[in-house]
Amino acid sequence: DSGVTQTPKHLITATGQRVTLRCSPRSGDLSVYWYQQSLDQGLQFLIQYYNGEERAKGNILERFSAQQFPDLHSELNLSSLELGDSALYFCASSVTGIGEKLFFGSGTQLSVL
Amino acid sequence: AQKVTQAQTEISVVEKEDVTLDCVYETRDTTYYLFWYKQPPSGELVFLIRRNSFDEQNEISGRYSWNFQKSTSSFNFTITASQVVDSAVYFCALSEAVGGFKTIFGAGTRLFVKA
Repeated sequence: DSGVTQTPKHLITATGQRVTLRCSPRSGDLSVYWYQQSLDQGLQFLIQYYNGEERAKGNILERFSAQQFPDLHSELNLSSLELGDSALYFCASSVTGIGEKLFFGSGTQLSVL
Repeated sequence: AQKVTQAQTEISVVEKEDVTLDCVYETRDTTYYLFWYKQPPSGELVFLIRRNSFDEQNEISGRYSWNFQKSTSSFNFTITASQVVDSAVYFCALSEAVGGFKTIFGAGTRLFVKA
């Protein structure tokens, strides 16, 4: 158990809908990362937060947004969903977010039908 | 630009064979960190090793060893006497100071170890 909790584990929804994925980092970790893993694109970095502030951004679509709350949990919001958004979404955390190993959650499997 | 290339998409070996997974990285930074992660069939991502750019010493951990060569921008991973339980997808990753230390991953190498 990595100590990173992601909910829900599975999510099935329809095109055009909006969903929210939730992540609770390990106790003491201030940095949270979001990744998207699809079959044809490997692990794609979406965004990183440190202590509530955005630290780095990857190729995150404008339809996607995220934030980290004062209690350090993070949410990834995906809107106007398309079939191609179906993927496994991982959250990871680390203490400072500076060159440290990441602890990954078990992921949220999103299926857009 | 920050980039990690794992040219080997899939590798299949027979148990007890040695296997090397290649990783080539690109960075303009002098301060960076390299990692290997394992993703077994169960799906979780497990950290294996971390190396910083100032430490080129190779490392051995049991049947696992890593060869870091800055001259060729490579960070290769060797499994000695492979076992069926080593079957997984292995990811190489890079975190550099420029860009806020975001960690980007290579495409992964799927390793099949047959009994």
